[in-house]
Formats: sequence, structure tokens, C-alpha cells
Amino acid sequence: DQQVKQNSPSLSVQEGRISILNCDYTNSMFDYFLWYKKYPAEGPTFLISISSIKDKNEDGRFTVFLNKSAKHLSLHIVPSQPGDSAVYFCAASGGTSYGKLTFGQGTILTVHP
Amino acid sequence: EADIYQTPRYLVIGTGKKITLECSQTMGHDKMYWYQQDPGMELHLIHYSYGVNSTEKGDLSSESTVSRIRTEHFPLTLESARPSHTSQYLCASSDVAGTYFGPGTRLLVL
Repeated sequence: DQQVKQNSPSLSVQEGRISILNCDYTNSMFDYFLWYKKYPAEGPTFLISISSIKDKNEDGRFTVFLNKSAKHLSLHIVPSQPGDSAVYFCAASGGTSYGKLTFGQGTILTVHP
Repeated sequence: EADIYQTPRYLVIGTGKKITLECSQTMGHDKMYWYQQDPGMELHLIHYSYGVNSTEKGDLSSESTVSRIRTEHFPLTLESARPSHTSQYLCASSDVAGTYFGPGTRLLVL
């Protein structure tokens, strides 16, 4: 039972344009959501997070939007840069179990110069 | 910047060997975790600890075991490695600000 889903295995974007990565979840107990960037031989790097009391959080080029009614979140990267090319994972946690994360399958982002 | 370390980074070992993957963090976090990731797949939680002498199994069943004798140290042990244990093992620790990962150990069991 996949509680966090990233339905797009890959995304290709031109440098300077917007990248939009999507994530859906099914567990209503999730109240904290995170995005990580990962290279194959390295650990995930934290990018940005959002609590369920918010619907938007912004940090530089990265913005995360949360639609609780649709159980959907998205990560926007503007403008996209070739260095952003990596696998992006959406993760969620619930209640007091922060740190115990449920991950999506990841989306491979490729930003072309 | 999170300070969490894992050794070895890469390990190739034969079937039946006992291995210990090391993880340490210098942030004083009480909560630590082990995740497993197969290529192209999501990360799965296999063990977690909320403090010294506290360990629990995660969502994904694993034949590995863990110990937490010191706050900063959370090693993972496989008593008898098998090819099915080939994977990437990621250690993490967390506080209210977030969850931080180490660089991972890529394990190949022949």
C-alpha cells in the first residue's frame, strides 16, 4: 500500500524554465511533508518542508504548495538550473512520529542547458 | 549543515559474512533511523531509535539488527549477509527542524 506516490518517474525541463514535481498521499494522519534531492551514491539532501497548517512555503528558488483537501503537494523550482538535475523524493510524517518518514518513489529531474 | 557520518561508503562482501555498518552523528539528536533503498525505488524505514537503549523495527521487515548504546552511535549489523541484502543503507537523525541523512553505504553481497 503506497501511502506516498510520485506518479511521474521523470521530468525534463529547459534551463531557466519552471520545474514542477508532484506528490500525492493517502494517509490523513500525515501532517508534515518534506522534499529531498538525491544523487545515486549519496544520501538525500533536505530541500524544503511544509506543515499541514500552511498551504505554501518558499525558500529561494524552491516553493512547496500543499492542497490538503486533494492530498496533493507540489515542488516548484524557478528558475531551473542544470545543477538541479537529480532524483527528487517527496516524504511525509504524521503526529509525533516526526523523523519516521514515508517516501515516494522519486522523480528524476533533468534540466537541459 | 548536518553532521552525520557513515562507514564504509562501499562494501563488497561474500555470502555468510557478518558485517556492521557504522553511523554516527555529532548533533546530539535523540532520534536516529536506518533506511534501505534499492535502485530506482523509494526509501524504506527498517529501524529507528528514540534514545539510548531504545530500538524499534521499522515499516520494512529486515534481518538486520541495531543497537544504541551511545546517543551519537547507531550501528547496523547483519549476522550472515546474503545477496538479497544488496542495497543502499542510509542512516539519519532528526530534531524538530528536520531529518538529516548520512551519505549512505552501498552494500553488495556476492
